[in-house]
Amino acid sequence: EAQVTQNPRYLITVTGKKLTVTCSQNMNHEYMSWYRQDPGLGLRQIYYSMNVEVTDKGDVPEGYKVSRKEKRNFPLILESPSPNQTSLYFCASSPTGVPYNEQFFGPGTRLTVL
Amino acid sequence: KNEVEQSPQNLTAQEGEFITINCSYSVGISALHWLQQHPGGGIVSLFMLSSGKKKHGRLIATINIQEKHSSLHITASHPRDSAVYICAALPSGSARQLTFGSGTQLTVLP
Repeated sequence: EAQVTQNPRYLITVTGKKLTVTCSQNMNHEYMSWYRQDPGLGLRQIYYSMNVEVTDKGDVPEGYKVSRKEKRNFPLILESPSPNQTSLYFCASSPTGVPYNEQFFGPGTRLTVL
Repeated sequence: KNEVEQSPQNLTAQEGEFITINCSYSVGISALHWLQQHPGGGIVSLFMLSSGKKKHGRLIATINIQEKHSSLHITASHPRDSAVYICAALPSGSARQLTFGSGTQLTVLP
């Protein structure tokens, strides 16, 4: 089944404890992206990747890191999480190197930073 | 100011009604997406438009590039259509990042 998977789905952590949210797609998509969704602010892009080893900042990259060593995986790293990073996070992928085609979204990761 | 504006923010309808959700944008775009976010949080892509009109079942999406406006229509609405509908524009030139509207919360009552 074609899908985007994220893990974990729910995470409660404490300030400063490094964490990684994994994202994997099995559709051989070139474009992958991370978004966060907050009440009243909608979806905002954190980072995106147009292909392996090609990543770029979105609108709200501060406090996050990403890597794209393989085409299928695009992990989101929070080196020192803070409470303002409490949010709902979505990973998405798209067939080509730009989001011109249908976006496939992961199920979301609800992160709480205490 | 968000470059992508949606209206209305909230919409309540009775089952069977024809529904229209609007999306306007202030910059030139090369494509526009309509997304549906279920009450459980999952997001599904409904349409990607660069011109004209697309139809899928009871859903119809239209776009007028010159007027910088798109609409999502739902015919014969049903309670299972209750969700947040989000439009997202791909600005011309950048071609890498989507700009999202704030979403329209639709509730269809039986």
